[in-house]
Amino acid sequence: DSGVTQTPKHLITATGQRVTLRCSPRSGDLSVYWYQQSLDQGLQFLIQYYNGEERAKGNILERFSAQQFPDLHSELNLSSLELGDSALYFCASSPWEAGDEQFFGPGTRLTVL
Amino acid sequence: GQQLNQSPQSMFIQEGEDVSMNCTSSSIFNTWLWYKQEPGEGPVLLIALYKAGELTSNGRLTAQFGITRKDSFLNISASIPSDVGIYFCAGRLSGSARQLTFGSGTQLTVLP
Repeated sequence: DSGVTQTPKHLITATGQRVTLRCSPRSGDLSVYWYQQSLDQGLQFLIQYYNGEERAKGNILERFSAQQFPDLHSELNLSSLELGDSALYFCASSPWEAGDEQFFGPGTRLTVL
Repeated sequence: GQQLNQSPQSMFIQEGEDVSMNCTSSSIFNTWLWYKQEPGEGPVLLIALYKAGELTSNGRLTAQFGITRKDSFLNISASIPSDVGIYFCAGRLSGSARQLTFGSGTQLTVLP
């Protein structure tokens, strides 16, 4: 158990809908990272927050957004969902702003029908 | 885009055998990490490397940070069934990169 929690574990929705994925980092960690893992794909970095502020952006679509709250939990919002958005979404946390050692949550499996 | 080449893509080995996998890049990395992912779970950090030439072990696992800073390898000795999973390399590019770049993974199957 990495100490990072993600909810929900599974999410099934329809095209065009909007969903919110939630992540709670390890106790004391200030950085939260979001990744997307599609079938047979590696991990694609989406976005990083550190202590409530956006710090780095990767291949995140404009339809996706995230935020980190004062209690350090983070939410990833996915809107106007398409079939191709079906994937595993992972959250990771680290204590530092430039955290090389990132600890991953169990992921949320999103299925868009 | 993908800047790490991880090989092999998959491996089938007999229990007890040693395993070697590697990641290479045309770019220089400041950090190399190796993760293992089992079905239905998130990646778990195995080893982190911070200096060129560094050799680090974690039980039966040994990883090295290449001298050129463009590659890294992971060895698993005396494989056991619970070694099954996908092994990912990851690295932080030299420069101002804030995020990790991940390899595409090596799927390891251990046959009894």
